[in-house]
Amino acid sequence: AQSVAQPEDQVNVAEGNPLTVKCTYSVSGNPYLFWYVQYPNRGLQFLLKYITGDNLVKGSYGFEAEFNKSQTSFHLKKPSALVSDSALYFCAVRDGPYGQNFVFGPGTRLSVLP
Amino acid sequence: DVKVTQSSRYLVKRTGEKVFLECVQDMDHENMFWYRQDPGLGLRLIYFSYDVKMKEKGDIPEGYSVSREKKERFSLILESASTNQTSMYLCASSLWGVYGYTFGSGTRLTVV
Repeated sequence: AQSVAQPEDQVNVAEGNPLTVKCTYSVSGNPYLFWYVQYPNRGLQFLLKYITGDNLVKGSYGFEAEFNKSQTSFHLKKPSALVSDSALYFCAVRDGPYGQNFVFGPGTRLSVLP
Repeated sequence: DVKVTQSSRYLVKRTGEKVFLECVQDMDHENMFWYRQDPGLGLRLIYFSYDVKMKEKGDIPEGYSVSREKKERFSLILESASTNQTSMYLCASSLWGVYGYTFGSGTRLTVV
């Protein structure tokens, strides 16, 4: 069975500093990995995905994520955080294109302090 | 712009009422999903559907049912609402393959 872990409930970072939101996963086959962001009282919005190819993927709003197969990780990063990045971030994994549904991590709340 | 539309942003219902949450997508997606989101528990899958008139139970189907009579519409039904069903409900849709989910804005349901 597939699973996702986000080891930090909360991440605090000062504006202008780099940020990292961690995600590790478990699947039996090839992982399809996604990051979503949720602003207060809204649905989830797609940020970026890894399907195949380069391990570093770039997404919306200056975010990027690095796929590390040996560590089964897919950490979300941004070189310089903005106060407007404060939100709830979800990592999700699926076992290939026709695997079962996506499994979501519990979410990490990011607070960027001015 | 592609959309998943949930009919209500906020709902307040009484215990024992039958509640309908509607979700419509305009992207011709085969797959549709209903999740509930609770603090500390993340997103939990209630039901999903891969085709018209088809439904599958997710991780927490008890107390819920669904209907998919048309490809674009997926309804979640709370047969007899209870206070422990107070939650944020999220609808999503997707294509098969390398695509992720497109989410609606959510319905915050309070059962009193």
